[in-house]
Amino acid sequence: QVQLVESGGGVVQPGMSLRLSCVASGFPFSSYTMHWVRQAPGKGLEWVAVMSYNAINYYYADSVKGRFNVSRDNSRNTLFLELRSLRLEDTAVYYCATGRECGGDDCPLLHPNWGQGTTVTVSS
Amino acid sequence: IVLTQSPGTLSLSPGERATLSCRTSQDVNSVFFGWYQQKPGQTPRLLIYGASKRAAGIPDRFSGRGSGADFTFSISRLEPEDFAVYYCHYYGRSPWTFGQGTKVEI
Repeated sequence: QVQLVESGGGVVQPGMSLRLSCVASGFPFSSYTMHWVRQAPGKGLEWVAVMSYNAINYYYADSVKGRFNVSRDNSRNTLFLELRSLRLEDTAVYYCATGRECGGDDCPLLHPNWGQGTTVTVSS
Repeated sequence: IVLTQSPGTLSLSPGERATLSCRTSQDVNSVFFGWYQQKPGQTPRLLIYGASKRAAGIPDRFSGRGSGADFTFSISRLEPEDFAVYYCHYYGRSPWTFGQGTKVEI
C-alpha cells in the first residue's frame, strides 16, 4: 500500500536551516506531483509547496517563498523540503502528500495520500 | 480559491446526526474535493474524496455530497470516536486549499 515517511524535523533556532525528507513506496512516485503541507500547533492545515512529477514545475506559498526549496530524487523515491532562514512561525508538523496530477501511464492513486508528518520547532 | 466551513463548532450528543458545510469562493470540480477527520495529536485522516466517495475502510455512517461551490458532509449517527475536527479540502489545482475546520464536540 501507499506509504510516505517524513523525517528530518527537529528543534532549531531562528535563522537556521533544516532539510526534510519524504520517502515514498507502494506507488509510482516518479509519476506523481507531490506536495508539502504544514500545521502549526492548534491551527489548521496550510499548503506549503508543490513539485511536478518531473521536477520541472514547482510553486510555493507566499509565506515561505524565497526561504524554502522543494526538490525530488525520483531514483530514490524521495521528496525534499529545504527550510532556510527559519522563523518562529514556521513551527509546525510538516506533511508530504501525493497530488492528483500523474505524468505516466500507470496512475493508480484515487486520492491524496499523506505521511505521518515530521515536527519542526523553531525556538530561541 | 477560499473554502469556508460552517459552523465553526457543532455541539451534539452520541447518536445524533452531524451536518457540516463547506462553501468555495468559486465553482470547483467535485472530482477533487475531500473531507478529513483529525483528532488531537494525529494525522488528518481522509474520509471522503471525489465529494462523495468513501475512502478505504471508512464506515458508511460518513457521507458527502455536493457540487459547484456547495458541499456537505454528514455523520448519520455520531459514535464517541467521531468527536474531532473536520476539514474540507480542494485538491484540483495548486495551491491546495483547506477549510478552517469544524469541531464536532460533545
